[in-house]
Amino acid sequence: GDSVTQMEGPVTLSEEAFLTINCTYTATGYPSLFWYVQYPGEGLQLLLKATKADDKGSNKGFEATYRKETTSFHLEKGSVQVSDSAVYFCALTNSGNTPLVFGKGTRLSVIA
Amino acid sequence: DAMVIQNPRYQVTQFGKPVTLSCSQTLNHNVMYWYQQKSSQAPKLLFHYYDKDFNNEADTPDNFQSRRPNTSFCFLDIRSPGLGDAAMYLCATSGLYNEQFFGPGTRLTVL
Repeated sequence: GDSVTQMEGPVTLSEEAFLTINCTYTATGYPSLFWYVQYPGEGLQLLLKATKADDKGSNKGFEATYRKETTSFHLEKGSVQVSDSAVYFCALTNSGNTPLVFGKGTRLSVIA
Repeated sequence: DAMVIQNPRYQVTQFGKPVTLSCSQTLNHNVMYWYQQKSSQAPKLLFHYYDKDFNNEADTPDNFQSRRPNTSFCFLDIRSPGLGDAAMYLCATSGLYNEQFFGPGTRLTVL
């Protein structure tokens, strides 16, 4: 079945450091790919998405590119802030209203 | 502009005492989901509705039931909560590209 693998956390960075959180997937067909962020005590928020190969999703300084050749969707940000501290989930869904398949999540802590 | 609303945000119940969590949406989406999430693990899908078509995950305990009386509302009923059911419960709806919009969650405590 479909699956998502993302790098284990926690990840601790200093403010203004460069962030990469790796995400690879296994899926049949042509899935849509997502990054969700969860701040402490809150629900998941959609951070960005990409629906076809070579699409780049971006939001709030975060970017991820849908790479079909490497089945990857790595999350990057050039300069993290303390307010970016959260848990980040990579996810995919295939065609139709099929449920999301989540990675296990990566906790990011940014220190001043 | 709240889009997926969950009530209450915090719920405390006693062991074995039935509890109902509610979810409403203003997005008019056909698909609604209920997830259970423990300790910042990935959310675990309990069930989902496509319109009124109910889909139960194979490993969802019988203790969990759901109702969707109309497009806007969905309820999660836990008939006899155990200590292991303490968790965050997330409701979500599905959009055009299958992206899901989540509510803020209900944190359930079982005493």
